[in-house]
Amino acid sequence: ETGVTQTPRHLVMGMTNKKSLKCEQHLGHNAMYWYKQSAKKPLELMFVYNFKEQTENNSVPSRFSPECPNSSHLFLHLHTLQPEDSALYLCASSPGLSNQPQHFGDGTRLSIL
Amino acid sequence: AQSVTQPDIHITVSEGASLELRCNYSYGATPYLFWYVQSPGQGLQLLLKYFSGDTLVQGIKGFEAEFKRSQSSFNLRKPSVHWSDAAEYFCAVGGNAGGTSYGKLTFGQGTILTVHP
Repeated sequence: ETGVTQTPRHLVMGMTNKKSLKCEQHLGHNAMYWYKQSAKKPLELMFVYNFKEQTENNSVPSRFSPECPNSSHLFLHLHTLQPEDSALYLCASSPGLSNQPQHFGDGTRLSIL
Repeated sequence: AQSVTQPDIHITVSEGASLELRCNYSYGATPYLFWYVQSPGQGLQLLLKYFSGDTLVQGIKGFEAEFKRSQSSFNLRKPSVHWSDAAEYFCAVGGNAGGTSYGKLTFGQGTILTVHP
């Protein structure tokens, strides 16, 4: 069983659709993260949650809406996305908001038509 | 603000040859440093980390990295590369406790490693 599981692995959606990405961690961690990975660009931190509370929003457009109902689950709700939002979205978790290593899921490959 | 530079976008080596991937960081204090590897279609896997102490750190899969404060570098090395090492490698830096970047990683652009038989 992988420590951090992301679903779906692939998602194709139109610009007017609404969809959600899900992340679940089985490591007992308290901090969870969303990253965006685009081609030829460094990983971009999007959101950070610690004990279910959002501690970081890295100037992410409002068409991305995160939700963290508990320390094990993290969602990214998507609506009215743009073609430039096509990317690999990675979820990660760590024991707490510290410099302990983050554990990553395999990501959701998102394509916007 | 902290930053990471990986000067080599793409490196090709022959199987069995030695490998060194470069990483330079910018940070005002002693950083927390990490190397991650990403295989196609997968997430990032931690290879090794440096927090303090011995500047030569050992990681998984036979990798090691050396922290050199004077050069602001944290280069990744492996004495003999295997075909399965072909992947993309990311260097990352985390800030110290009390700083605004604590708990947040800044990643380099990545280095793609190709291994020839």
